[in-house]
Amino acid sequence: NAGVTQTPKFQVLKTGQSMTLQCAQDMNHNSMYWYRQDPGMGLRLIYYSASEGTTDKGEVPNGYNVSRLNKREFSLRLESAAPSQTSVYFCASIYPRDRGNYEQYFGPGTRLTVT
Amino acid sequence: KQEVTQIPAALSVPEGENLVLNCSFTDSAIYNLQWFRQDPGKGLTSLLLIQSSQREQTSGRLNASLDKSSGRSTLYIAASQPGDSATYLCAVRGGTASKLTFGTGTRLQVTL
Repeated sequence: NAGVTQTPKFQVLKTGQSMTLQCAQDMNHNSMYWYRQDPGMGLRLIYYSASEGTTDKGEVPNGYNVSRLNKREFSLRLESAAPSQTSVYFCASIYPRDRGNYEQYFGPGTRLTVT
Repeated sequence: KQEVTQIPAALSVPEGENLVLNCSFTDSAIYNLQWFRQDPGKGLTSLLLIQSSQREQTSGRLNASLDKSSGRSTLYIAASQPGDSATYLCAVRGGTASKLTFGTGTRLQVTL
């Protein structure tokens, strides 16, 4: 049971390049999330997927797209990277303990630098 | 809009001390509150989850309390150790049950 895994761990892009961040979980969780973490700003939600086949915008969705490929995988795509997207990106999934009470599990993060 | 504040932003204590980290939130209509630990360059590890109907949760040397009506939670660490050095984040799940709102964290250093 690997939990939540993310690839790559590190990435450097030039402005305007595109890339996809991959996330997978093997815990059979329905909901998955993408966050970014910036110094002094905490974690902010980019997109989430409540269940397979659905995606919704979070707090900071501009410049990103997502795909919920199947129940296990949720990818984040940057179509045209900008320096403002330099950040640490975390994927997460949640375990529904009971109605309304969910415990969140995080991947190790992807450190992205856009020059 | 929910806002979560953590005070202090940084804290340094000598080994063996008991300490309290604070978290406050503006909207008391929450489902639960979760405390996380983050080591430098690493992901987040869940420490404790307190449901909205609970007052506290304990795990080993950690005790988290929740006062929903006043919008406050505390994380108490007993007999601190250098291995406790990390950033501690609190997050509340409210409004839409799917979404967590995070504080900016307290960076803790436990010195020998």
